Amino acid sequence: AQTVTQSQPEMSVQEAETVTLSCTYDTSESDYYLFWYKQPPSRQMILVIRQEAYKQQNATENRFSVNFQKAAKSFSLKISDSQLGDAAMYFCAYRSASGANNLFFGTGTRLTVIP
Amino acid sequence: NAGVTQTPKFQVLKTGQSMTLQCAQDMNHEYMSWYRQDPGMGLRLIHYSVGAGITDQGEVPNGYNVSRSTTEDFPLRLLSAAPSQTSVYFCASRRPVSLNTEAFFGQGTRLTVV
Repeated sequence: AQTVTQSQPEMSVQEAETVTLSCTYDTSESDYYLFWYKQPPSRQMILVIRQEAYKQQNATENRFSVNFQKAAKSFSLKISDSQLGDAAMYFCAYRSASGANNLFFGTGTRLTVIP
Repeated sequence: NAGVTQTPKFQVLKTGQSMTLQCAQDMNHEYMSWYRQDPGMGLRLIHYSVGAGITDQGEVPNGYNVSRSTTEDFPLRLLSAAPSQTSVYFCASRRPVSLNTEAFFGQGTRLTVV
């Protein structure tokens, strides 16, 4: 199984400010996908953003962007202009581009947004 | 479009009881999987299936059985529940493994074993 590490169990950010959540992973593969999922109190798993490893350009989705450093095996999530609705657990996940393509998750970061 | 439907949403079992967590998807997805979520441990893969009639073990398969007789359904069976199986269970599905497609998750089942 691949290893995905989220070293920040909890983070907080002031409303309208920017926060960055960290994620590192361990793999010997060259082709894979990386994801950030959001889990609000409703428990629903919501895909926030994804990155293909073969793409050098960092993915962006509105206020969410990633900093993908393939050599360092790092995949951080930046949330700009934080909103109260961004408060949730955030999970980083890895999926191989070959084989069964199972998703492997990190342990999560709980984000609190302070009004 | 219902997506991925899990039933029940909540369940309390006594140690040693058996039960089946149901998962159904209406998107004709080939790939389906079960995860358990425990505090501080993220989501861990229990079993998965790449198509009807094909199942395989994930990271934490002990104590769980699965079958995949149809594309739509992927039930998870606990044969003899143990307190260590207290967790939130998620079912997920997506289109063929060869495509770069996102996974769709059910809303989870919170299981408590007493």
